[in-house]
Amino acid sequence: AQTVTQSQPEMSVQEAETVTLSCTYDTSENNYYLFWYKQPPSRQMILVIRQEAYKQQNATENRFSVNFQKAAKSFSLKISDSQLGDTAMYFCALTQGGSEKLVFGKGTKLTVNP
Amino acid sequence: DTEVTQTPKHLVMGMTNKKSLKCEQHMGHRAMYWYKQKAKKPPELMFVYSYEKLSINESVPSRFSPECPNSSLLNLHLHALQPEDSALYLCASSQDRGGQGYNSPLHFGNGTRLTVT
Repeated sequence: AQTVTQSQPEMSVQEAETVTLSCTYDTSENNYYLFWYKQPPSRQMILVIRQEAYKQQNATENRFSVNFQKAAKSFSLKISDSQLGDTAMYFCALTQGGSEKLVFGKGTKLTVNP
Repeated sequence: DTEVTQTPKHLVMGMTNKKSLKCEQHMGHRAMYWYKQKAKKPPELMFVYSYEKLSINESVPSRFSPECPNSSLLNLHLHALQPEDSALYLCASSQDRGGQGYNSPLHFGNGTRLTVT
């Protein structure tokens, strides 16, 4: 069975500062994919970043980057230069290669303060 | 703007009503999904269609009936719902079916906020 754990229900950060959201996971598969999704109050789930487990290099998308520690089964998200528009629920998610199921963590509510 | 369009945005229905939620995408995606999301919770998978065929039903009660008329459309027919079915219903699509070993990310719509009275 796959599990995803986000241990920080809520976090806050000052505008322009850096924040890191934690995520750990468990899977018995070697072929899997990890994602961070953002859900602002507008409700739409938006893909922030993805990481293929077979890639050692950490994924980066503009101000968003991950720290993927495969042995530790950790997949944290770093947001640099935080902006007010980053305020949202952030969900870490895992899917096994060849599976149509996406397993979500419980989410971290991030508030960016002016 | 979202590339997955869901209608209606809001729906209030009684327990004896029959209604349908609609989802449409024109990205050429071959997999489509229905998720249910309660407040302050992560989305829960309900159904998956791959190439217009139902591939996953997560033991969803029969009062929810999915339909995929073609590769661009996905419906969720609702009948005799209970108040606890009130939630945000999210539709999503992805380019590839998971069975090919490559997992393209899901693209979500804005959801339908359903209230059952």
